[in-house]
Amino acid sequence: AQRVTQPEKLLSVFKGAPVELKCNYSYSGSPELFWYVQYSRQRLQLLLRHISRESIKGFTADLNKGETSFHLKKPFAQEEDSAMYYCALSEGYGQNFVFGPGTRLSVLP
Amino acid sequence: SAVISQKPSRDICQRGTSLTIQCQVDSQVTMMFWYRQQPGQSLTLIATANQGSEATYESGFVIDKFPISRPNLTFSTLTVSNLSPEDSSIYLCSVWDRTSYGYTFGSGTRLTVV
Repeated sequence: AQRVTQPEKLLSVFKGAPVELKCNYSYSGSPELFWYVQYSRQRLQLLLRHISRESIKGFTADLNKGETSFHLKKPFAQEEDSAMYYCALSEGYGQNFVFGPGTRLSVLP
Repeated sequence: SAVISQKPSRDICQRGTSLTIQCQVDSQVTMMFWYRQQPGQSLTLIATANQGSEATYESGFVIDKFPISRPNLTFSTLTVSNLSPEDSSIYLCSVWDRTSYGYTFGSGTRLTVV
């Protein structure tokens, strides 16, 4: 069965510092991986998907199939990045999602 | 991307009663998903609702407790029945959004059972 792990429940960094939110997965097929973000008092929203290889709000994430990882990175954290981040895996187009436990990022001034 | 309206946004319910949550999408979608997020936990899929057929429930969730309706391609309801304090959670609906190639979520319903 597919599984997503995010080892850090809470990650605190100072403004301007680099940040990396870790995500590892286990899945025998070719997964589709996503990062979702939930800002305080807002709904869960899509941040990144691996197939797009895009940079959103300065965040990037690279799928490493050898290490089964999809870590989220940003070179210079901003205070407005403080939020809950969820890594998620889908078996394919429109298929069931499995969410990781989430990491709360706190960017300190 | 798809816009989802979910209501109520929150409710406080007595034990033994039921709460029905509504989810309206501004476009037609084949599948709608219902999730539960317990306090301090991640999201867990309850069931997948397809229009015109019975919902498909995940392990640990049963139709008697979480009946779902899907009368058309833009609307679904989830009922949480015979409420107990353990049902206190946030419930979210979600759809697969082809335009953004990702899942879009409703704003959630925060249920407190007293």
